[in-house]
Amino acid sequence: GQGVEQPAKLMSVEGTFARVNCTYSTSGFNGLSWYQQREGQAPVFLSYVVLDGLKDSGHFSTFLSRSNGYSYLLLTELQIKDSASYLCAVREANAYKVIFGKGTHLHVLP
Amino acid sequence: NTKITQSPRYLILGRANKSLECEQHLGHNAMYWYKQSAEKPPELMFLYNLKQLIRNETVPSRFIPECPDSSKLLLHISAVDPEDSAVYFCASSPGTVYSGNTLYFGEGSRLIVV
Repeated sequence: GQGVEQPAKLMSVEGTFARVNCTYSTSGFNGLSWYQQREGQAPVFLSYVVLDGLKDSGHFSTFLSRSNGYSYLLLTELQIKDSASYLCAVREANAYKVIFGKGTHLHVLP
Repeated sequence: NTKITQSPRYLILGRANKSLECEQHLGHNAMYWYKQSAEKPPELMFLYNLKQLIRNETVPSRFIPECPDSSKLLLHISAVDPEDSAVYFCASSPGTVYSGNTLYFGEGSRLIVV
């Protein structure tokens, strides 16, 4: 069916890395964004991708494969403060609406 | 983020009427109201492009949006229901609603229905 899917939870260790996966099936594609949302706070924009490949933005990197309907957000050199929910959001072609996934809660262990 | 301000931040209501307010100081053309219930992602309620309501999601008629100018957004709520308990986020994006892929969110207004 149509939608954006993410695993509910992910755990990793401080100083290592975490990869947050997102798969989508939509009517056309016009870009994918990642947001970070801490408990009780608003979502904060992290990254936007529309072309295939890896986009390296330092602490956060984003990968996209349009043919597979797949993206991931890679966080490197994890810190405890990276513990948050990470939301994947997809815009369909010729559409107003941005479809959010349910988010992946990342827990970074000391 | 102080560039999108929302008020009130917290709201406890019985079956009363109230309005949520939002103002963005980013010069963006598109503004949105999102509802986020516990453990759920943000869900689009309404969006405006240059003060015009372009798409109206199927939300209960007790929610009425208003856009008095391109930087302000209101959400009027009447006779709230317990299912309306949620955080209501205002957001804006540059460009138009067709091209704005970066959403900037306000801090949210938490509505608690008693």
